[in-house]
Parts: sequence; C-alpha cells; structure tokens
Amino acid sequence: KAGVTQTPRYLIKTRGQQVTLSCSPISGHRSVSWYQQTPGQGLQFLFEYFSETQRNKGNFPGRFSGRQFSNSRSEMNVSTLELGDSALYLCASSRGASSRADGYTFGSGTRLTVV
Amino acid sequence: ELKVEQNPLFLSMQEGKNYTIYCNYSTTSDRLYWYRQDPGKSLESLFVLLSNGAVKQEGRLMASLDTKARLSTLHITAAVHDLSATYFCAVDKNAFQGAQKLVFGQGTRLTINP
Repeated sequence: KAGVTQTPRYLIKTRGQQVTLSCSPISGHRSVSWYQQTPGQGLQFLFEYFSETQRNKGNFPGRFSGRQFSNSRSEMNVSTLELGDSALYLCASSRGASSRADGYTFGSGTRLTVV
Repeated sequence: ELKVEQNPLFLSMQEGKNYTIYCNYSTTSDRLYWYRQDPGKSLESLFVLLSNGAVKQEGRLMASLDTKARLSTLHITAAVHDLSATYFCAVDKNAFQGAQKLVFGQGTRLTINP
C-alpha cells in the first residue's frame, strides 16, 4: 500500500519567488491537510481539503493557498516568498470525518529553504 | 482556542529506566494522537486514542487518555537507545462539517544514553 507522497523533497527559492508543493494521499483517502514545521513555531496547521473543498484554514497570510483535485491530490502554493517561510512542509492524509479512528498518515515532507 | 502542552520538553535518560511524557490540552476533544519524529524525518504515527480511559501499548511504549482531566501520557518502559527521538502529541480539533485540524504540542526531545 503506497503511502503519502510529497514532491519535491527539497527546494531552494529566492525571496519574492513563488513555490508549489504537491501531495498525493493514500489511495482512498479524501482528506488532505497541510502543516508547517519550524524550530520556532513548531507544527502549525495550514489548511485542510476534502473532496476538492477547503474545509478549514489556519492562521496564515493569504500568500499561502492550496487546492485539491478530483483524484484527491493536493497542491499548496506560497507566493512572494519570505525568509520566514523556510520550513518543513508536511501533508497528512486521512479518510475523512467518519473514519478518524485511522488517524492521519504524514508524507515525508518538503524542506523549503528561502534565501 | 485549543492549546496543547507537553512536558517535559527535553528529557535525557539512561537505558533501562522508565519515564513518562505528559500532554495536557485546554478544551474538550475526542481524539488524541502520539507521533514520533526522527531528525530530518516526517511524523510516524504511534497511537490513536479515541475515548476516555483508552490505553494502548506497543513494545516499550504505552499511551493513555483521560478526557476528564484533559491529559494523555506516554510511558516509556526500560528505555533503549532506539527510542531516542522527538515525540509529539496532537489533539484533533473537529470543526463544523467535519473539518479536521490537528493541534500539536511543542514536542518532547528524548535522548537515551547507554
């Protein structure tokens, strides 16, 4: 059973650029959520998508956006990158609201460095 | 606003000893998770605790949940070096329409010395 796949694994970008990260959930999972991990702020929720709809959003500026496709794959985009956006970005896959007993499975993450 | 607090944040212990990591959360929730993270790696699921009084064990790790006290514990028995990692608890803040959101504790960095 394939796990959660995140691409790319590593990324180096310059301030002001934009970046798109991708997450393919476990087959059959319809919910994808995104988290940012930094040494200073820890793990913070960005947003969650279910069946192509954003159901929940964390406290991040509008530069952070996302979407989900009909095959449940999700992308997140960060525009006008700032140095503080350097972080490990993790996505989590789950079945959805009715089966949370399974928990969340995390991908390997994308390490973004902004220079 | 839901807050999740772990203690201790740093724990250095010797092999063979027992210890407990505590996870307190501020508002009612119906799901609590424990994860392990190795340096530079992602989060590995350890336990899913679904109800008051739930206890789960895997090897030298045992997790429990007391929803009335809003407290979960992760107990380590006879620690071995391989258990060195950072451990996170997370509470599932279920918003309206089933929207999901995990709120994480700060993490406990566990170092086990020979």
